[in-house]
Amino acid sequence: QVQLVQSGAEVQKPGASVKVSCKASGYTFTGFHMHWVRQAPGQGLEWMGWIIPTSGDTNYAQKFQGRVTMARDTSISTAYMELSSLSSDDTAVYYCARFRAVAGTKYFDYWGQGTLVTVSS
Amino acid sequence: EIVLTQSPGTLSLSPGERATLSCRASQSVSSSYLAWYQQKPGQAPRLLIYGASSRATGIPDRFSGSGSGTDFTLAISRLEPEDFAVYYCQQYDNLMYTFGQGTKLEIK
Repeated sequence: QVQLVQSGAEVQKPGASVKVSCKASGYTFTGFHMHWVRQAPGQGLEWMGWIIPTSGDTNYAQKFQGRVTMARDTSISTAYMELSSLSSDDTAVYYCARFRAVAGTKYFDYWGQGTLVTVSS
Repeated sequence: EIVLTQSPGTLSLSPGERATLSCRASQSVSSSYLAWYQQKPGQAPRLLIYGASSRATGIPDRFSGSGSGTDFTLAISRLEPEDFAVYYCQQYDNLMYTFGQGTKLEIK
């Protein structure tokens, strides 16, 4: 069965960086784009960007341009999201989500369990 | 950027009743690119509907999606206790993805 297992909770200081991992299993990792979505406490979902595992090509939401880096290691079927220059506004649960495109449709069919990142001095 | 506005913000209903949730886009969205997700407290979102009206694998047929252009609807025909959650619509346009702010479906 498809599983996306993310790394554990992080506490970081303002100005620092955080790197979250997402290990995929149960499917061919290189066959599907991986997206990242975050959710601040009590708030809605915010799309951050995607990575194409085969090529490493990325596309980031304008809001995160210059601060986010998405990467992957195909040898271990793992995607990474690194966010730099953290502020308290970045306190959120970060999700990886597998992207599916079928017959012209586009959606996220499997999600990781989420990683809580807390930014606090 | 296309903005999705969901209404109502909170919907209070009883088990067995019918729920109708709305998602309105600031400009026209391709039906192929409109999806709905359910999220329960402490859990990741779960895909319900894609392509505006297709149910995801394992989703009961009491869930249905409809709509086109700027107006989309998620309906739940007979609410079960496990259906009380937050629901999000999501769209794709021009290399970007956006979500609505969510509708909380609570037990009356």
